[in-house]
Amino acid sequence: RKEVEQDPGPFNVPEGATVAFNCTYSNSASQSFFWYRQDCRKEPKLLMSVYSSGNEDGRFTAQLNRASQYISLLIRDSKLSDSATYLCVVKESGGYQKVTFGIGTKLQVIP
Amino acid sequence: GAGVSQSPRYKVAKRGQDVALRCDPISGHVSLFWYQQALGQGPEFLTYFQNEAQLDKSGLPSDRFFAERPEGSVSTLKIQRTQQEDSAVYLCASSSRGTDSGANVLTFGAGSRLTVL
Repeated sequence: RKEVEQDPGPFNVPEGATVAFNCTYSNSASQSFFWYRQDCRKEPKLLMSVYSSGNEDGRFTAQLNRASQYISLLIRDSKLSDSATYLCVVKESGGYQKVTFGIGTKLQVIP
Repeated sequence: GAGVSQSPRYKVAKRGQDVALRCDPISGHVSLFWYQQALGQGPEFLTYFQNEAQLDKSGLPSDRFFAERPEGSVSTLKIQRTQQEDSAVYLCASSSRGTDSGANVLTFGAGSRLTVL
């Protein structure tokens, strides 16, 4: 089983739609969680950190469920510019805190 | 520097050639990671440095892969006797604090795209 699992998609949604992605992780001791965005042929860039209490940044909401070991990303009112791959990232606790990426979920927002 | 700089951006190698990929992290960043990203996949961990110390090299796929960061700043990833399966984008990332503190943000370079013919 992979340490971080995501549905690779693609998710094709119309402009204005709400879309949600989930990600599960296998190490219950994982400490920190992030969503990164990667545009085609570009490097990953931090979208948002994920906090235990959940957090929101404009149209983006991230949630963490430690009991079920999953995190989610909700995008409201999708824009064409949201089209990208969304990478789930998990940082372990202890030691030097290895950072592991999921395969990424591809989102295509359609006009 | 202002960001993480990687070179070369593109490298075409014949099978069996050695290649060296360079990463110049953000000035003062303690942590440096190398990842390998194949087409359609997420970044796969290769190795991690804290300053000049290579604390984890468990992700290096074979002994043909070697990484170093001798002065705790610039890092080089070397691949000997390249094979076609080594074709991928090699991403370098750095972060500002030692990873035994709070949540640290990885800043990535643009990557080095290696094609082995």
